[in-house]
Order: sequence, then C-alpha cells, then structure tokens
Amino acid sequence: DTEVTQTPKHLVMGMTNKKSLKCEQHMGHRAMYWYKQKAKKPPELMFVYSYEKLSINESVPSRFSPECPNSSLLNLHLHALQPEDSALYLCASSQPRDRRTFGSGTRLTVV
Amino acid sequence: KQEVTQIPAALSVPEGENLVLNCSFTDSAIYNLQWFRQDPGKGLTSLLLIQSSQREQTSGRLNASLDKSSGRSTLYIAASQPGDSATYLCAVRGETSGSRLTFGEGTQLTVNP
Repeated sequence: DTEVTQTPKHLVMGMTNKKSLKCEQHMGHRAMYWYKQKAKKPPELMFVYSYEKLSINESVPSRFSPECPNSSLLNLHLHALQPEDSALYLCASSQPRDRRTFGSGTRLTVV
Repeated sequence: KQEVTQIPAALSVPEGENLVLNCSFTDSAIYNLQWFRQDPGKGLTSLLLIQSSQREQTSGRLNASLDKSSGRSTLYIAASQPGDSATYLCAVRGETSGSRLTFGEGTQLTVNP
C-alpha cells in the first residue's frame, strides 16, 4: 500500500459545527503532516507529527486541533470554523527527511 | 528566509514539444528539492526528489536537475502529452528548516492536442 487515504473527500459545515478529518497510511512512515491549500496557492504546513512528537505552525488558530491515535492515523478536529477556513486540506506522510506522499485531500466549505 | 520562485507561472504548448520548467531558491543550504504535480482539486503527486548531493534524477519522460550553488532546478518534460496538463510545484527543504518545505507558486502547464 503506497497511498495516503483521506476521508471525507468533501465536507460542508456550519460555523457552530464540530467535525473531524481523517488520514491514514500503511507505509510505515513515521512522520505525518496536515496542510491547508487555498485556490491557486501552494500548500501551507499546519502540523507535523514525527515520531509521536507534535510540531505546530504557530499561525494556525486553535479551532484546528490535530490528534494522532497511532503511527498510521492522523485526525484533524475542527470546531467553530470561519468561512475563510474553506480550503483544500491535505494530509501527507514520509519517513523523516524523505519523499513526501500526499493524499487526495478534503475539500472543506464553511457556511 | 528561503524564497522559491517558479518561472513561468503558466505555459501552453502543443503536444509533442519538449519543455523546461524552472525553479529558483534564494538559500543554497538545502537538504533536498522535490518536484510535484497537482491536478485541479486534487492532492500532490511526487514526481522526483533530488538530494542536495545529487545533480539530477530521471523518471520516464521527466528529468530534474539541481544546481545547488546557483540556487536553481529545472524539470525537463520530453515529448509532452495532453495528460501532462497540470500545475507543477517545486519544494525545497532547508538544512535547518526541520520538516518544513518551502513551495514555489507553481507553473500551470497546458498541453494542447
């Protein structure tokens, strides 16, 4: 299995909702990442889990919270989002410092 | 602070042409450079990864070169096909940037049949 699987593919949520995005890989990668991508812009790193240690991009608001239940799974919990949070959310994995493999993304719309 | 620039921003070519996409970076202290392809609304597909000690990597019709001292990389696509139409992104990992990749803004390629 050489894929990163993200669910759901599309999500529409209201500003008062709580939802979660899921990401899974079975390549034995020890680093997993969440990115946010706006239209016609490159991805921006949000969070990194590497060897069970979390690194945070300090510009990411607290309404986004990552969770890593085990080395194959990475969730992104969403709460009280704003319309400007609408974007493509990408998960990726890699061995530390190696080729990064991306999932196909979750298209999030906040209404 | 590392900055990555991709030229041109958009490129339209007829099918069968050989073409070159350019990527430049301001800080030559890099660990590796990766080229990605992205189709509209989809995730990124890794095409080639060049370590800082390497000069080039090849995969099928793709060849990527790296000149670390001058801060440049090129992606050469031979005999382009309509299926090559996508946005191509280069990303640099700095020696001291940990897990962070610095991306260019991308080149949007259209190959016309």
